[in-house]
Amino acid sequence: QKEVEQDPGPLSVPEGAIVSLNCTYSNSAFQYFMWYRQYSRKGPELLMYTYSSGNKEDGRFTAQVDKSSKYISLFIRDSQPSDSATYLCAAVNYGGSQGNLIFGKGTKLSVKP
Amino acid sequence: DTGVSQDPRHKITKRGQNVTFRCDPISEHNRLYWYRQTLGQGPEFLTYFQNEAQLEKSRLLSDRFSAERPKGSFSTLEIQRTEQGDSAMYLCASSFGTGSNQPQHFGDGTRLSIL
Repeated sequence: QKEVEQDPGPLSVPEGAIVSLNCTYSNSAFQYFMWYRQYSRKGPELLMYTYSSGNKEDGRFTAQVDKSSKYISLFIRDSQPSDSATYLCAAVNYGGSQGNLIFGKGTKLSVKP
Repeated sequence: DTGVSQDPRHKITKRGQNVTFRCDPISEHNRLYWYRQTLGQGPEFLTYFQNEAQLEKSRLLSDRFSAERPKGSFSTLEIQRTEQGDSAMYLCASSFGTGSNQPQHFGDGTRLSIL
């Protein structure tokens, strides 16, 4: 079992829809979580960065962490065709002094005009 | 802020050749990470530096791989005697500070294709 699991999709929605992207993780020691957006042939771009349980909102994006169920979510409101990309969730491997990220496989999102 | 820069963007080489990639982190970022990403997968950690010191290597980093960051600024990743399985996107990321919880910012990667 991978430490961070993510449904690869693909997920296709009409423009304006609310998108829900989800990940689960297995290591209860994870405390910091990130969502990245990756366009084709580009590097991951940091979207959201959260610590511990709760919600964090930034414009049309809301990140949610539920540590009791080890569940991470990203919601996109009023989705746009420009949101079409692969979305990667990641947890910080905080063991020792590493700090490297452990990623899910990514969910490919397509927003149709 | 010019972002993380990687060079070249794409490298095509024959099996058995050596290749070297370069990463220039965001100015004043003292942590630098290398990851590898294959098609349909998330990035996987290879190694990281704090300033010029290489502090961690993953089991993915075989002895054919070597990374350096001689002056604590740019870094190079060399792969010797390339194999088909080395075909991937090699990503570099940097972060500021000594804490493991600082957000990492990625470059656009070097795509390696082995013929």
